Amino acid sequence: DTGVSQNPRHKITKRGQNVTFRCDPISEHNRLYWYRQTLGQGPEFLTYFQNEAQLEKSRLLSDRFSAERPKGSFSTLEIQRTEQGDSAMYLCALGGGTGELFFGEGSRLTVL
Amino acid sequence: AQTVTQSQPEMSVQEAETVTLSCTYDTSESNYYLFWYKQPPSRQMILVIRQEAYKQQNATENRFSVNFQKAAKSFSLKISDSQLGDTAMYFCAFRDNYGQNFVFGPGTRLSVLP
Repeated sequence: DTGVSQNPRHKITKRGQNVTFRCDPISEHNRLYWYRQTLGQGPEFLTYFQNEAQLEKSRLLSDRFSAERPKGSFSTLEIQRTEQGDSAMYLCALGGGTGELFFGEGSRLTVL
Repeated sequence: AQTVTQSQPEMSVQEAETVTLSCTYDTSESNYYLFWYKQPPSRQMILVIRQEAYKQQNATENRFSVNFQKAAKSFSLKISDSQLGDTAMYFCAFRDNYGQNFVFGPGTRLSVLP
């Protein structure tokens, strides 16, 4: 148990719909990350929070994507007007004390 | 920008044998961190081993060890006494000392055969 809960685990939606994923750290962690992983590939960085502040965003994060971490605890990742190319696993990870990442089980998005 | 390359898309090894997975990276930084992560089928990513670039000694975690060659920018993972539970995707990852962006390689699919 890495202390990261992600919901929903799997979301199937139609193109053009909005979806929201949630990441809940079980314990306090200052650093929270979102990554995207497509089939057969390594995770790609999306965004990073230090407490409630979003400090870094990837160019992959188009204007249809928005992430929040309102109280420095849980985080949400919203995708508006989904496209088939958004189909992927969305991973939340927490920054460990010695520089590593601890990943959740991910939320799989399928856009039809 | 940093890049991570894993040149072996797939590998297989007999149970109890030793296997080495390759990873090379490109950076102009002198201080950074390197990691190997394991992702079993349909399961979450798990940290296997980490290495700080300023440490010359290769990291070891039980059956897992690395061969870190800083000048060559090479970071290979050796798995000794392979077990069926080692079957997974293995990702090499890089993080510089200042940024928070981890860069992952494309992965190596390892199959341990009985």
